Amino acid sequence: EPEVTQTPSHQVTQMGQEVILRCVPISNHLYFYWYRQILGQKVEFLVSFYNNEISEKSEIFDDQFSVERPDGSNFTLKIRSTKLEDSAMYFCASTRSGTGELFFGEGSRLTVL
Amino acid sequence: QKEVEQNSGPLSVPEGAIASLNCTYSDRGSQSFFWYRQYSGKSPELIMSIYSNGDKEDGRFTAQLNKASQYVSLLIRDSQPSDSATYLCAVVTSGGYNKLIFGAGTRLAVHP
Repeated sequence: EPEVTQTPSHQVTQMGQEVILRCVPISNHLYFYWYRQILGQKVEFLVSFYNNEISEKSEIFDDQFSVERPDGSNFTLKIRSTKLEDSAMYFCASTRSGTGELFFGEGSRLTVL
Repeated sequence: QKEVEQNSGPLSVPEGAIASLNCTYSDRGSQSFFWYRQYSGKSPELIMSIYSNGDKEDGRFTAQLNKASQYVSLLIRDSQPSDSATYLCAVVTSGGYNKLIFGAGTRLAVHP
């Protein structure tokens, strides 16, 4: 069964460092998303991406965040200068139809020290 | 701010009982509604989608939607210990572009 894959599963970084989280969405999917979940809190929308551009972003997704689909298969989230409050589980998701029936990856846990 | 509200629980039910999970949403223009299940330490997994008023059944799960009351519910019949998880209500907001907003989730515990 096709699945969304994310790497790394866990990354520890120092405050102020740049982090890139990688995702390989399901191959025939057209809509891509990043969500985050701080421990014990709700799943929060960060950004949606369609047709090689951001279609929507939340207020969390400030200038420190960026997304790219560099090669037609990978979908990356970059955090330019990490803060302590960026510590969270980051989920990539994709869907073919854009209806909200999302397939999630297993997540990348980011710990900022 | 478009919100999705759920009782955090825990909702504790005995094995074999019906579990009833509820959700309200603030965006009256929303048209698409979803229930996801999240096991501890895992990613959300889609269980049900519902787009029209009324009931939609899939196996042991029934989703119910009332747009006038801005209310969505999920019934789980014959609850099993393996159903113990957090259930997330999610709504695609109107005026957005496929932006799916999640509630904080209701933790369900099914005890043998």
